Amino acid sequence: GAVVSQHPSWVICKSGTSVKIECRSLDFQATTMFWYRQFPKQSLMLMATSNEGSKATYEQGVEKDKFLINHASLTLSTLTVTSAHPEDSSFYICSAATQGFEDEQYFGPGTRLTVT
Amino acid sequence: GESVGLHLPTLSVQEGDNSIINCAYSNSASDYFIWYKQESGKGPQFIIDIRSNMDKRQGQRVTVLLNKTVKHLSLQIAATQPGDSAVYFCAETPNTDKLIFGTGTRLQVFP
Repeated sequence: GAVVSQHPSWVICKSGTSVKIECRSLDFQATTMFWYRQFPKQSLMLMATSNEGSKATYEQGVEKDKFLINHASLTLSTLTVTSAHPEDSSFYICSAATQGFEDEQYFGPGTRLTVT
Repeated sequence: GESVGLHLPTLSVQEGDNSIINCAYSNSASDYFIWYKQESGKGPQFIIDIRSNMDKRQGQRVTVLLNKTVKHLSLQIAATQPGDSAVYFCAETPNTDKLIFGTGTRLQVFP
């Protein structure tokens, strides 16, 4: 149980376009979802925390107008990278928890974004 | 042996040996710690966790040790196998709404 999926698993887009990444909890309801970014050979950095039905909380330094997060249901959160640039190329990973952070986070497989 | 790469320290061990991966955490207020395993191109996989009221916890082939005095966490893997090759991250929780990941250690297992 506790499976989290992401779609797409990888995407290549042109500079200036927008890309949407989906994160789904397949067999449980996630009240909280987290979005992380990971550059090559580096650790995961939390970008934002989203609770179902409310606005996401962004970490310091993360542009909320560039990284749009929507958590419209208990099983789906989306991250849209708007006007993507090559420096946005990264591995984006989501995680989901059933009772906010105090519960274990289940991680998705990640989405590799390459902006050309 | 253990070496520091451009961004990621690497630990190389022979199959069958025990591995010890270390992590120094930063916040003395952290009360919950987790070790994750991440294979190339995949998301982190939960290995074992420990709360600050414990100093040792054992799982299947893995043991986590916590030394709050020096803010140090270690992961011991017994009888390391090729399938254990991955990057290992420790994570701490300085408060209830954030999970902070450490820099990670790459474990390479040689036959």
